[in-house]
Amino acid sequence: DSGVTQTPKHLITATGQRVTLRCSPRSGDLSVYWYQQSLDQGLQFLIQYYNGEERAKGNILERFSAQQFPDLHSELNLSSLELGDSALYFCASSVAGLQETQYFGPGTRLLVL
Amino acid sequence: GDSVTQMEGPVTLSEEAFLTINCTYTATGYPSLFWYVQYPGEGLQLLLKATKADDKGSNKGFEATYRKETTSFHLEKGSVQVSDSAVYFCALEDSQKLVFGQGTRLTINP
Repeated sequence: DSGVTQTPKHLITATGQRVTLRCSPRSGDLSVYWYQQSLDQGLQFLIQYYNGEERAKGNILERFSAQQFPDLHSELNLSSLELGDSALYFCASSVAGLQETQYFGPGTRLLVL
Repeated sequence: GDSVTQMEGPVTLSEEAFLTINCTYTATGYPSLFWYVQYPGEGLQLLLKATKADDKGSNKGFEATYRKETTSFHLEKGSVQVSDSAVYFCALEDSQKLVFGQGTRLTINP
């Protein structure tokens, strides 16, 4: 158990809908990262937050957004969902950032029908 | 940008066999290197890491050495077990984000 929790574990929805994925980092960790794992793209970095502020952005679509709240939990919002958004979404956390180990949650499996 | 290339999978071995999973990287600087493992139905777990050239990371019998001259970080284990069956990801740190290889699925038969 990494100490990172993600909810829900599974999500099934329809095209065009909007969903919110939630992540609670390990106690004491200030950085939260979101990654997408899909069969065709592999594991890709989406976005990082540090202590409530966006720190780095990767291949995140404009239809996706994220935020980190004062209690340090984070939410990833996916809107206008398409079939191709079906994937496993991982959250990871670390104490701060550079050269530190990122600890991954169990992931949320999203299926868009 | 930075990238990681892993050997093609899947890899199938018998128990107690020697394991090597190749990983090479392309980077402008000297990033930290990692191996993560994903067991069926679970998230990624850090297996080992190395932060500078010639460092050797090791854990649970697995080892990998950071080779700057060959830009490689190959994963090795002397005697694999059935419980090592999983998907293994090589990764590097680029400006605080992880860049992953495509993953190598390893199956160990008893």
